[in-house]
Amino acid sequence: QKEVEQDPGPLSVPEGAIVSLNCTYSNSAFQYFMWYRQYSRKGPELLMYTYSSGNKEDGRFTAQVDKSSKYISLFIRDSQPSDSATYLCAMKGTVATNKLIFGTGTLLAVQP
Amino acid sequence: GAVVSQHPSWVICKSGTSVKIECRSLDFQATTMFWYRQFPKQSLMLMATSNEGSKATYEQGVEKDKFLINHASLTLSTLTVTSAHPEDSSFYICSARGQVNTGELFFGEGSRLTVL
Repeated sequence: QKEVEQDPGPLSVPEGAIVSLNCTYSNSAFQYFMWYRQYSRKGPELLMYTYSSGNKEDGRFTAQVDKSSKYISLFIRDSQPSDSATYLCAMKGTVATNKLIFGTGTLLAVQP
Repeated sequence: GAVVSQHPSWVICKSGTSVKIECRSLDFQATTMFWYRQFPKQSLMLMATSNEGSKATYEQGVEKDKFLINHASLTLSTLTVTSAHPEDSSFYICSARGQVNTGELFFGEGSRLTVL
């Protein structure tokens, strides 16, 4: 079993839809959770960085962490064609830990 | 946010040759840089951690003699793929952490290597 599971998609939604992206994980030691956006043939760009359980909102993006279920989510409101990209979840145990464990990424396509 | 630049963004080489990829932090000093490899439709896999002025630490299964890493200054780390073979074709991405460890990593744009 992989440490982090993420549905690779593709996920296709109409412009303006609410998008829900999810990851599950098996290691209960993970405390820091990140969402990255990666456009085709580009490096990942950090979208959200959260610690422990709870919600964090930044503009149209909301990150949610449920440590009891080992489940994290990223919600995108009012999705735009420019949101079309691969979304990667990543996590680690401590702030000093170098090694991020990534999901495989979910390919999102927002149709105009 | 901090900017990390990689060069070249795309390289094609013949089997058996060596290829060097540079990773630079443009507006901050990176004490630590990381090299990842990403195969199509797979997650990023950490290859090695590079600290300025010291030897890199390689992840299990990564050949240190094949993937030479040099972190000679606080703004530059290089990855050299030696005697490249077609199975080394991949997307190589570096990331950097500032001197103050906030836990945040900044990624470069990646370098796509194709070995013929």
